[in-house]
Amino acid sequence: GEDVEQSLFLSVREGDSSVINCTYTDSSSTYLYWYKQEPGAGLQLLTYIFSNMDMKQDQRLTVLLNKKDKHLSLRIADTQTGDSAIYFCAESYNTDKLIFGTGTRLQVFP
Amino acid sequence: DTGVSQNPRHKITKRGQNVTFRCDPISEHNRLYWYRQTLGQGPEFLTYFQNEAQLEKSRLLSDRFSAERPKGSFSTLEIQRTEQGDSAMYLCASSLAQYGNQPQHFGDGTRLSIL
Repeated sequence: GEDVEQSLFLSVREGDSSVINCTYTDSSSTYLYWYKQEPGAGLQLLTYIFSNMDMKQDQRLTVLLNKKDKHLSLRIADTQTGDSAIYFCAESYNTDKLIFGTGTRLQVFP
Repeated sequence: DTGVSQNPRHKITKRGQNVTFRCDPISEHNRLYWYRQTLGQGPEFLTYFQNEAQLEKSRLLSDRFSAERPKGSFSTLEIQRTEQGDSAMYLCASSLAQYGNQPQHFGDGTRLSIL
């Protein structure tokens, strides 16, 4: 069945790069997404990648996709305290429902 | 673009009562999705609409749950005879279905607490 896995926690120093990893099982996924959730709030779309791409860069964010290994990563350059949040990886087939991972809590310390 | 709006933000009710939540999607979006998120978990899909048609329902959506989108604009999610296990954040998202990807944009959710 469909499953998305993420590590639960990541702690980084302000100014360093953060790398959040995700693995998924559904080989028919066509889009993969990264969402950010701050306490008590909904999900903010950060970026997404189509499955025929292997990399996408958007300002401080870099997404890498290894389709063979079904592995997705999100790199945040120059991590700031405002980046502290929970980050969700999600997959979908075309524009259908999203399947989310359990989220990675990113903590940035000074 | 005012974003996806959900009301109320918080709802506290006693077990056994009925509750209804409302979602107003981004105005030009024809797809509307409902998800449920429990503490420490990622959101789980409940159902979605394209215009007024409900196209898919999750097995999570028991017969106590009903969702409508009568005019293809706002949607309501009703839970009848609420149970403790219904306590969660209910998230609504919308997107525009057309050629090419149009990602889902989420509202801030309605947090439901069952006493």
